[in-house]
Amino acid sequence: EAQVTQNPRYLITVTGKKLTVTCSQNMNHEYMSWYRQDPGLGLRQIYYSMNVEVTDKGDVPEGYKVSRKEKRNFPLILESPSPNQTSLYFCASSLKSTGGAYNEQFFGPGTRLTVL
Amino acid sequence: GDSVTQMEGPVTLSEEAFLTINCTYTATGYPSLFWYVQYPGEGLQLLLKATKADDKGSNKGFEATYRKETTSFHLEKGSVQVSDSAVYFCALEGRTGANNLFFGTGTRLTVIP
Repeated sequence: EAQVTQNPRYLITVTGKKLTVTCSQNMNHEYMSWYRQDPGLGLRQIYYSMNVEVTDKGDVPEGYKVSRKEKRNFPLILESPSPNQTSLYFCASSLKSTGGAYNEQFFGPGTRLTVL
Repeated sequence: GDSVTQMEGPVTLSEEAFLTINCTYTATGYPSLFWYVQYPGEGLQLLLKATKADDKGSNKGFEATYRKETTSFHLEKGSVQVSDSAVYFCALEGRTGANNLFFGTGTRLTVIP
């Protein structure tokens, strides 16, 4: 089954304790992205990757890191989490869009993170 | 910069009522426009899209028309069902690449029997 998986689905942690949220897709997609969803703000892009070893900042990258060592995986790293990073996080993937044609983004089920 | 303004919610309708969720955008040029839907406990799914002015996207009884003159992409459905209860997001294609999307704030729809 074609899917985007995220782990963990729920996480409660404390300020300053490094954590990693994993994202994996089995559709051989070049493009992957991380979003955070907050009430009244919708989805905001954190980081994205157009291919292996190619990553770039989205709209709200502060406090986050990513890596893309393999095509299927795109982990989100919080080196020193703070309470303002409490949010619902979504990973997404798609084929790379070229020539103006848009390829649908497929979203994971989300990770609800609480930082105390 | 590019942005999407979406109708504030929540919206509560009775089954079989007519639905409109307003969406307007600000962008340079004519980006592709999208509606995504998020059912409870799930990730977002593409509902419909339109890639140029006057295009009409449609899916599952939902429709939206890309209106260049009013910079709008309103979502409509003639007769909603309880199963349509979800959060709906309007989005536009970003300038940094066709893959990157700007999302609106989302509108929660609840349909009651």
